[in-house]
Amino acid sequence: GQQVMQIPQYQHVQEGEDFTTYCNSSTTLSNIQWYKQRPGGHPVFLIQLVKSGEVKKQKRLTFQFGEAKKNSSLHITATQTTDVGTYFCAGGRGTYKYIFGTGTRLKVLA
Amino acid sequence: DARVTQTPRHKVTEMGQEVTMRCQPILGHNTVFWYRQTMMQGLELLAYFRNRAPLDDSGMPKDRFSAEMPDATLATLKIQPSEPRDSAVYFCASGESGPFGETQYFGPGTRLLVL
Repeated sequence: GQQVMQIPQYQHVQEGEDFTTYCNSSTTLSNIQWYKQRPGGHPVFLIQLVKSGEVKKQKRLTFQFGEAKKNSSLHITATQTTDVGTYFCAGGRGTYKYIFGTGTRLKVLA
Repeated sequence: DARVTQTPRHKVTEMGQEVTMRCQPILGHNTVFWYRQTMMQGLELLAYFRNRAPLDDSGMPKDRFSAEMPDATLATLKIQPSEPRDSAVYFCASGESGPFGETQYFGPGTRLLVL
């Protein structure tokens, strides 16, 4: 079946360091979304990418969608303690079906 | 600030009992998703509704799970009979349809423990 893998599974960084998580799909995606889930919380929508090679920025967060629309990345510049949580990509198949990635759990050490 | 609400937030029950989880989607959203989250399986889509009609429940164990939307303000997920392996966090999300997909707004979840 279709899988969406994320690496790394866990990442510990010192506050101020950069962080990147990568998302890889076994099949071509129609679009990709990114969500953040704080410990004990629920996933919160961050962004959606649709076009091949698309890059979007939100303050310190940079999102990329691969040329083949099978992979994506999220990069955080100069992490802060508020960035702690698990980051999920969700690969879109069609208009509503999203396969969530395995997630990358980020810990930021002050 | 519009939010998806879910009740109950926590549920502890014994194996064999019926469990009903409720979700109130954001007013104006016409799609509802039910997800289950576990450490082992991650986030799995159980069911998807559009305009109250169930369009996809392929991720749901049919023998014990059922999902309905009796009206636009209420979605329910039932498990009967419940089993220990159903222990998980169940999220409801309502969606804003766009040309390229759904932006999903998740509720706080129901944390279910089946003993």
